[in-house]
Amino acid sequence: SQQGEEDPQALSIQEGENATMNCSYKTSINNLQWYRQNSGRGLVHLILIRSNEREKHSGRLRVTLDTSKKSSSLLITASRAADTASYFCATASDTGRRALTFGSGTRLQVQP
Amino acid sequence: EAQVTQNPRYLITVTGKKLTVTCSQNMNHEYMSWYRQDPGLGLRQIYYSMNVEVTDKGDVPEGYKVSRKEKRNFPLILESPSPNQTSLYFCASSLYQGAGTNYGYTFGSGTRLTVV
Repeated sequence: SQQGEEDPQALSIQEGENATMNCSYKTSINNLQWYRQNSGRGLVHLILIRSNEREKHSGRLRVTLDTSKKSSSLLITASRAADTASYFCATASDTGRRALTFGSGTRLQVQP
Repeated sequence: EAQVTQNPRYLITVTGKKLTVTCSQNMNHEYMSWYRQDPGLGLRQIYYSMNVEVTDKGDVPEGYKVSRKEKRNFPLILESPSPNQTSLYFCASSLYQGAGTNYGYTFGSGTRLTVV
């Protein structure tokens, strides 16, 4: 079952611009994670934000989490052509199976 | 290099012919999981394992089997593959997935399976 839903489904920007992707989820979480997937390849873990955190940075990545709205955003600043990929949010439940449940992804295209 | 290794990378097989996709991790991770990825359906968990000899069903376990005899290996077995199992499969591992833990997954490179 899909927990997170990303918005937009696809995003096309120019190199140097910022890219913002949003994720909404439905149930209580322990943490939320963002992953990148280059076409047909494995997913790469980018950043994890705990449920008691509101914002986290890693290099050109900035993630925010609003548990009251059950939403998160991923901002990539000064994008590069190499950032072209699909980006997925994934939520880890604080109960039950504790599996990561993935959203449907945002396809980001960065034009050189 | 810390990694999850899946084999094979590509596989074309015929309906009903048993196959195994291997997965091995070298990070001493306790938690391992299999996902399948299909267009429009995203990633769905097939099976997972919290530790050696501990496995359980995910969201879409029908038609699959797994085993966890050693910590590093978590093979996915399709006893009688059918065309609806054509998909991109990923193995993933994590240090631990117990209550209150916060660890990311390391994914393998994927196995593209076609069942004709």
